[in-house]
Amino acid sequence: AQRVTQPEKLLSVFKGAPVELKCNYSYSGSPELFWYVQYSRQRLQLLLRHISRESIKGFTADLNKGETSFHLKKPFAQEEDSAMYYCAPSWAGGSEKLVFGKGMKLTVNP
Amino acid sequence: GAGVSQSPSNKVTEKGKDVELRCDPISGHTALYWYRQSLGQGLEFLIYFQGNSAPDKSGLPSDRFSAERTGGSVSTLTIQRTQQEDSAVYLCASSLGWVGNYGYTFGSGTRLTVV
Repeated sequence: AQRVTQPEKLLSVFKGAPVELKCNYSYSGSPELFWYVQYSRQRLQLLLRHISRESIKGFTADLNKGETSFHLKKPFAQEEDSAMYYCAPSWAGGSEKLVFGKGMKLTVNP
Repeated sequence: GAGVSQSPSNKVTEKGKDVELRCDPISGHTALYWYRQSLGQGLEFLIYFQGNSAPDKSGLPSDRFSAERTGGSVSTLTIQRTQQEDSAVYLCASSLGWVGNYGYTFGSGTRLTVV
């Protein structure tokens, strides 16, 4: 079965520390990969998509096909990065949809 | 419209009543999706529309749930005989084209509370 796993539910760091939000997927084929972010009382919004190789708000994510991982990284976290983060691969089973992980809450302390 | 609009933003209903949730996608977005977001459960896929047809409705949890889309635009998600376990935030998203390239734009959701 196709599955996406965000192994940590919570991550708390201090401002300026590096962060890595883990995402692993078990898929056949080659899904496209996305990260979505939800700030407090705001709607879900696209943070990063692998296909465009963009770096947004200082975040990057490297696709490791061997490990089937797509971890999100930022070298120096800011307080405004505090939010829920969701990893979302595209479904490889013939339907055009994204499959979301359960999310991880990042808290950046001052 | 400029973004994906959902209405109502909040809905409190009594157990056993029917509810209708509305989604107005971004103009020109042919793909439309419904998800359910519950605490600790992440985002649960419900149904996907391409135009007015639904090629994937595999996520609808029971036959009490149905959805339609008309004119390739507005979609309505209907829950009949609501149960307390239906309480969640229902999210709508739309996409301009191939989801692998564009991803989704989400609405702000409808928070449904069944009492």
